[in-house]
Amino acid sequence: DTAVSQTPKYLVTQMGNDKSIKCEQNLGHDTMYWYKQDSKKFLKIMFSYNNKELIINETVPNRFSPKSPDKAHLNLHINSLELGDSAVYFCASSQDGLYGYTFGSGTRLTVV
Amino acid sequence: AQSVSQHNHHVILSEAASLELGCNYSYGGTVNLFWYVQYPGQHLQLLLKYFSGDPLVKGIKGFEAEFIKSKFSFNLRKPSVQWSDTAEYFCAVGKGSQGNLIFGKGTKLSVKP
Repeated sequence: DTAVSQTPKYLVTQMGNDKSIKCEQNLGHDTMYWYKQDSKKFLKIMFSYNNKELIINETVPNRFSPKSPDKAHLNLHINSLELGDSAVYFCASSQDGLYGYTFGSGTRLTVV
Repeated sequence: AQSVSQHNHHVILSEAASLELGCNYSYGGTVNLFWYVQYPGQHLQLLLKYFSGDPLVKGIKGFEAEFIKSKFSFNLRKPSVQWSDTAEYFCAVGKGSQGNLIFGKGTKLSVKP
């Protein structure tokens, strides 16, 4: 069983479209995250979320919104996609952040 | 500003050479320290972590790291690299149980067979 799974693995879409990336974890972790990895491999936190609190990195445009139907899922919705949104998006989960994160396999988003 | 610095952008070694990748952070107080590896086209995997206790921690695949508090450093080492160690290596710092992991910009390691 994959601990943290993301779908789709690849996503190619046109500018202006709205898209979603799904993430599910079966580890029973309390907190989930979205990270963006740019073309230079730099990893940047976008959101962290548990059942109590959503923490948003202030540099993330409000076109990006996390949605969590339950503790095991944290989906990422992106409205009005722009060329600069092209990147690999990683979902991760942790148990209070103490023991490190478990990452999903990533979603490579290409906006054309 | 609080940050995590990895000094080497790209390291090229021959097989059997020794490896040391630098990592410095600028956070005060208690921190949790991690090294992650990302093999080509794959997701990040945890190599090792430090929370407290012995500052020399051993991880998977023969990697180890040493926490030097006075230098705010957590350098990654391996005595003898293999071609299969070719990957991107990320240092990360977490602040207690609430803080998110902040990653360095990564070091690409290329090992020549």
